[in-house]
Amino acid sequence: DQQVKQNSPSLSVQEGRISILNCDYTNSMFDYFLWYKKYPAEGPTFLISISSIKDKNEDGRFTVFLNKSAKHLSLHIVPSQPGDSAVYFCAANTGGFKTIFGAGTRLFVKA
Amino acid sequence: DVKVTQSSRYLVKRTGEKVFLECVQDMDHENMFWYRQDPGLGLRLIYFSYDVKMKEKGDIPEGYSVSREKKERFSLILESASTNQTSMYLCASSPPLAGGNTDTQYFGPGTRLTVL
Repeated sequence: DQQVKQNSPSLSVQEGRISILNCDYTNSMFDYFLWYKKYPAEGPTFLISISSIKDKNEDGRFTVFLNKSAKHLSLHIVPSQPGDSAVYFCAANTGGFKTIFGAGTRLFVKA
Repeated sequence: DVKVTQSSRYLVKRTGEKVFLECVQDMDHENMFWYRQDPGLGLRLIYFSYDVKMKEKGDIPEGYSVSREKKERFSLILESASTNQTSMYLCASSPPLAGGNTDTQYFGPGTRLTVL
């Protein structure tokens, strides 16, 4: 049973518009959430994170929102750029060594 | 610049062969991890290590073992490769877990293993 779910395998967005990637989780013990970005032929790289005590974290064009009551988080990219085209993994952690990853969403940003 | 390297980008092996995947990090990180990535399943943790000679099972350890004899090196071993172990294998490292959790992992480029 997947504890972290990314229900959209892919998303296509026009350059300059907003990209919204969604993630749902089932384990209420998760206290830290992360987004990783992966280009083809490369390993994932850390993008942004949020602690469960916050509901928003912003870093430049990237903002992560956390809704604990709905067990839902989202990544907003504004404005989207062609270089943002990649696979985005949502991940969650309870404070230990094990991080649970979602299946990933492939983002296509069209020029 | 932080770096995690993996010994091979592509590997083709036959069923029943013993396979070694090597990972080296140059960041002096305590923690190292092995994942496999499969379509629709994301990254799944096979094993991790929080210190030299220490290892812990992840979520899917069956058919795998690991070795960590030096801090910078973490090896994944497939004792007898099977076709269902065809996958992308990713190694990662991270610094010690701190209060408040800064579990940012640094990944290698991956090894695509095909077992025929």
